[in-house]
Amino acid sequence: QVQLVQSGAEVKKPGASVKVSCKASGYTFTSNYMHWGRQAPGQGLEWMGIINPSGGSTSYAQKFQGRVTMTRDTSTSTVYMELSSLRSEDTAVYYCAPQFGEWSMDVWGQGTTVTVSS
Amino acid sequence: QSALTQPPSASGSPGQSVTISCTGTSSDVGAYNYVSWYQQHPGKAPKLMIYEVSKRPSGVPDRFSGSKSGNTASLTVSGLQAEDEADYYCSSYAGSNAVVFGGGTKLTVL
Repeated sequence: QVQLVQSGAEVKKPGASVKVSCKASGYTFTSNYMHWGRQAPGQGLEWMGIINPSGGSTSYAQKFQGRVTMTRDTSTSTVYMELSSLRSEDTAVYYCAPQFGEWSMDVWGQGTTVTVSS
Repeated sequence: QSALTQPPSASGSPGQSVTISCTGTSSDVGAYNYVSWYQQHPGKAPKLMIYEVSKRPSGVPDRFSGSKSGNTASLTVSGLQAEDEADYYCSSYAGSNAVVFGGGTKLTVL
């Protein structure tokens, strides 16, 4: 079965960077794009961007352009999301989810809590 | 890209039907048949319930259905059950390899 296992919770200071990993299994890693989204405490879902695990091409939400970098390692079926210049508003649960249909986030990881605090 | 518009809350009694709307623009919901719906219980990761406007993933009860008219998509939950109480989010492809979410609707089963 499809499974996404994300890295553990992080606590960062403002201005720092964080890199979250998402290890996929149960399907052909390079056949399906991977989305990243986040959810701030008590808030709704926010789409951050997408990566093609096959070629590594990416597309980022305008809001995160210049601050987010998504990469992948095909040897370990893992995608990464790095967010830089962290501020308190980046405190959120970050999720990865592969797309099996068209522009849907089909199966979600367990989420990674990132806390930004001085 | 602006967020899609959902009502903050919806409710219904067990056995009833409830419909949640998701209003976008001619650049997102109205332009593509790539609307998805997600269910999220407190403290849990979201779960895909509907994709490509009206398709159900394997394992999702047929009580959940989706539709679209113009710039507005809808999720209907028929035969409401207690476990349907959750937050529901819509999303749409918005062109230029981007996705936009709605603000979410809290569904209460009375």
